[in-house]
Amino acid sequence: AQKVTQAQTEISVVEKEDVTLDCVYETRDTTYYLFWYKQPPSGELVFLIRRNSFDEQNEISGRYSWNFQKSTSSFNFTITASQVVDSAVYFCALRQPQTGANNLFFGTGTRLTVIP
Amino acid sequence: GAVVSQHPSRVICKSGTSVKIECRSLDFQATTMFWYRQFPKQSLMLMATSNEGSKATYEQGVEKDKFLINHASLTLSTLTVTSAHPEDSSFYICSASVTSSYNEQFFGPGTRLTVL
Repeated sequence: AQKVTQAQTEISVVEKEDVTLDCVYETRDTTYYLFWYKQPPSGELVFLIRRNSFDEQNEISGRYSWNFQKSTSSFNFTITASQVVDSAVYFCALRQPQTGANNLFFGTGTRLTVIP
Repeated sequence: GAVVSQHPSRVICKSGTSVKIECRSLDFQATTMFWYRQFPKQSLMLMATSNEGSKATYEQGVEKDKFLINHASLTLSTLTVTSAHPEDSSFYICSASVTSSYNEQFFGPGTRLTVL
């Protein structure tokens, strides 16, 4: 069963537009961690955020914000005033330490293209 | 933050040869290292988990005799692709984990393998 679903395969926006990347996860654990990573064309994963299951407070970091909703099992990511440098593939990931697995389950990624 | 290196960053080899990829944690000791594989335009899929001094745990469908993993020290894990074939061409990414309340994972920059 797919543990992390990113329904949007590709998104294109014009520079300065806001864009939201969706992430829906599935777990039976009560303690878990959610992540967002950015993968630019170079391939290296860039860590953006970690959120644990007990902290539903939304977070804002500059132009980035995250909306964690346990009721809908979603952890969406919004980029405000997008820039060309935001063009990349973005992955949402889940870690479930209670099951003994500390590896990350990645979603299929959303390719964001910001058009100048 | 913690730094993980991979070497080589890019390798091209002939079909039938073996290729070794190194993953090093540069400024911390990693109790666990993970190896992921990413095919073009796809997500990262966990191949195996290795703990220092013990045998690696492979995910279903990953041939342990083809993808040899050695985790001889707390700062080095190696992945050897034996008798490589064109279908093994992929982007291989390692991550290193520190035992802590978060078991944070730090990713290497990846190795792009092309088998001719």
